[in-house]
Amino acid sequence: DAGVIQSPRHEVTEMGQEVTLRCKPISGHNSLFWYRQTMMRGLELLIYFNNNVPIDDSGMPEDRFSAKMPNASFSTLKIQPSEPRDSAVYFCASSLTQGGNTIYFGEGSWLTVV
Amino acid sequence: SQQGEEDPQALSIQEGENATMNCSYKTSINNLQWYRQNSGRGLVHLILIRSNEREKHSGRLRVTLDTSKKSSSLLITASRAADTASYFCATDGSGNTPLVFGKGTRLSVIA
Repeated sequence: DAGVIQSPRHEVTEMGQEVTLRCKPISGHNSLFWYRQTMMRGLELLIYFNNNVPIDDSGMPEDRFSAKMPNASFSTLKIQPSEPRDSAVYFCASSLTQGGNTIYFGEGSWLTVV
Repeated sequence: SQQGEEDPQALSIQEGENATMNCSYKTSINNLQWYRQNSGRGLVHLILIRSNEREKHSGRLRVTLDTSKKSSSLLITASRAADTASYFCATDGSGNTPLVFGKGTRLSVIA
């Protein structure tokens, strides 16, 4: 089992550019989560999907953020336009179901917006 | 808002000592989980304790849960330098809701 796969691992981009983060969840998992981690705010849940359907996006900070899950094996988190305050580690995670099960994290995408 | 809050924020101990980290939460839960994060890596699940359990063991890990006080503790016995990491508690609430994580305790084990 390859685990949750995220790409890119590291990205440095200029303010105003579009950023797309990608995630492949563990096969057979029905729930997918996008988290953001910063020193100041810790680990924040941005959005999660159940069976490819977005369930709760109340954690998405602004309209500049969007997420899609076109199929069970792929999800994207897009920031357009990016700003320096978006610099953080973005984690994708998956689990069998949304509630209370063990969550398996990817290694994260380290984003720096300059 | 964050459900769990870990205490202390940082902990530094000598190898061989025990490390205790605490977690407090606010609402009813179905279960509480502890995760570990090595520097630069994703979080890894350590142990899950259900709301009707009071104590659970896994190797050198011991977790307790007190639902009346809405608190949990993670004890790592005979710590090793390799235990250096951040440790997070996570709770699911009483509904079918995703896990919410605290800010973690940074543990440093000095050889």
